Amino acid sequence: EVQLVQSGEEVKKPRESLKISCEGSGYNFGTHWIAWVRQMPGKGLEWMGTVFPGDSDTRYSPSFQGQVTISADKSINTAYLQWSSLTVSDTAMYYCARHGFGNSGPDFWGQGTLVTVSS
Amino acid sequence: QSALTQPASVSGSPGQSITISCTGSSSDVGSYRLVSWYQQHPGRVPKLIISEDSKRPSGVSSRFSGSKSGNTASLTISGLQAEDEADYYCCSYAGDDRLWLFGEGTKLTVL
Repeated sequence: EVQLVQSGEEVKKPRESLKISCEGSGYNFGTHWIAWVRQMPGKGLEWMGTVFPGDSDTRYSPSFQGQVTISADKSINTAYLQWSSLTVSDTAMYYCARHGFGNSGPDFWGQGTLVTVSS
Repeated sequence: QSALTQPASVSGSPGQSITISCTGSSSDVGSYRLVSWYQQHPGRVPKLIISEDSKRPSGVSSRFSGSKSGNTASLTISGLQAEDEADYYCCSYAGDDRLWLFGEGTKLTVL
């Protein structure tokens, strides 16, 4: 069974750094792109970027380029999303999701990590 | 980076059929057979219900179907049930520059 398990809820202050994780199991982690998707409170889904754990190739949405860093460690089946300096506008639910083969959209999703940034 | 265009809301009565549109461009929806659809109930994780324009994953009800014409993809739900009330999002591959785009989302209300 394919599973993506994300790290727990985070409460941070502005300008703090943060790294959240997504651990995959039940499939060959190195053969599928892993996407990160943002959902701000009451809003829609936004594709942020994606990493191919097999070779750590990483692509970003132009909207998120330079704002976050996406990475993966194939040896422990884990992908990451990190910020160097959070702002209150980063408050959102963040999902990781596995892309299907080729350039298919996400097929399996993590449970989400709620990030709250408040002073 | 523009999201794909979906109606903000649609509604229907139990047993009826509804269709949700997803309009993009010749650079995304119109160029690839890679439109996916997701169902998201409040407070829940999105669920894949259609992949590659019209493929239904195992376990998804046959009441859900996908199609495409030109730059517009569509999700049709037949035999509406109360449990179908949710938000629906389309997603399309958009090439090496923009990669993947989500639609704005459509709230389905079952009357």
